[in-house]
Amino acid sequence: AQSVTQLDSQVPVFEEAPVELRCNYSSSVSVYLFWYVQYPNQGLQLLLKYLSGSTLVKGINGFEAEFNKSQTSFHLRKPSVHISDTAEYFCAVGKGHNQGGKLIFGQGTELSVKP
Amino acid sequence: EAQVTQNPRYLITVTGKKLTVTCSQNMNHEYMSWYRQDPGLGLRQIYYSMNVEVTDKGDVPEGYKVSRKEKRNFPLILESPSPNQTSLYFCASSLGTGAHGYTFGSGTRLTVV
Repeated sequence: AQSVTQLDSQVPVFEEAPVELRCNYSSSVSVYLFWYVQYPNQGLQLLLKYLSGSTLVKGINGFEAEFNKSQTSFHLRKPSVHISDTAEYFCAVGKGHNQGGKLIFGQGTELSVKP
Repeated sequence: EAQVTQNPRYLITVTGKKLTVTCSQNMNHEYMSWYRQDPGLGLRQIYYSMNVEVTDKGDVPEGYKVSRKEKRNFPLILESPSPNQTSLYFCASSLGTGAHGYTFGSGTRLTVV
């Protein structure tokens, strides 16, 4: 069975500092990996996704993530955060066509950017 | 604009009073799904639908019903809501291959007292 673990429930950081949000997954088969962002009182918005190919994936708002198959990780990074990046971030894994391409989500990481 | 529309955004109801949360998408997606979001638990799938008249249980289906009579609509029905169904609900749609991920609605915050 697939599962997703986000290793930090809260990450406080100062503005313009770098940040890494950690995500580990478990799956016995090839998967698709996603990061979503949820701003306060809004739905989830796709940040980036890994399907295949290059292990470094670039997304919107300056975020990027690296797929590491040997460590089964998909950590999200940004070299310099802004106040507007304050949000909750969800890592998710999807697999094939089964169950409508079901996504399994991690528990979420609350990123809090302080001035 | 491509979107998933949920209504209402906020709802307070009493235990046992039947309610429906509507969901509609304009992207001609075959696949639709309902998730609930609870603190510390992330998002958990309630029900999903792979096409018209085809629905199936997700991970937490107890206390919920769905229907898919038309491709664009996927309402979530709570026949007899209970306080443990107080949560934030999201409808999502997808092309369904797993590679596309989901497009999410803005959410419905339900409180059952």
